[in-house]
Amino acid sequence: DTGVSQDPRHKITKRGQNVTFRCDPISEHNRLYWYRQTLGQGPEFLTYFQNEAQLEKSRLLSDRFSAERPKGSFSTLEIQRTEQGDSAMYLCASSYTSGRYNEQFFGPGTRLTVL
Amino acid sequence: RKEVEQDPGPFNVPEGATVAFNCTYSNSASQSFFWYRQDCRKEPKLLMSVYSSGNEDGRFTAQLNRASQYISLLIRDSKLSDSATYLCVVSSQAPYNDMRFGAGTRLTVKP
Repeated sequence: DTGVSQDPRHKITKRGQNVTFRCDPISEHNRLYWYRQTLGQGPEFLTYFQNEAQLEKSRLLSDRFSAERPKGSFSTLEIQRTEQGDSAMYLCASSYTSGRYNEQFFGPGTRLTVL
Repeated sequence: RKEVEQDPGPFNVPEGATVAFNCTYSNSASQSFFWYRQDCRKEPKLLMSVYSSGNEDGRFTAQLNRASQYISLLIRDSKLSDSATYLCVVSSQAPYNDMRFGAGTRLTVKP
């Protein structure tokens, strides 16, 4: 499968714990995006990388959240001191500069449940 | 007011019906418009981009009215497989890192 992959697919944690998610984009894609989606809502933009550079962060991304893309390939999203309000689906997407309308291809998501 | 607003539905229609979804957006600087489809517990997938002149892809027709800041999606001859949530997406410019999604309109097509 050469699509966007995310790991883990599901994560259950206790409030106050740290969690880390991984996203592997489509190999030739230089752009990578993180979104959060809660039930009944559309995805909300969190942050965006072009290659290894993090170019934009949403105000939704509090200081408990950090994202990296160290070699311009896979990315990690870490949430420190998780809160129940962090429970959501975390989606990763990738695209290629000059691709068709910069179409973003989404991964299957990581569903986080904070108890 | 949300940046992108959609009728949440649900829309329950019989096979073969024609159904239309509406979407309004608040940012007049928006330049690019899309419809994404999201199946239950799956990731969103691009259905079609929306061009200023309107565009058609098989049974699907998208329209844009910039003056009214309004986007529509028309599905003709609905199939059972069209059952999904349809997300309206608006972006101000390339590289589309500021894509704003509506909450989605849920469609169920029944036999």
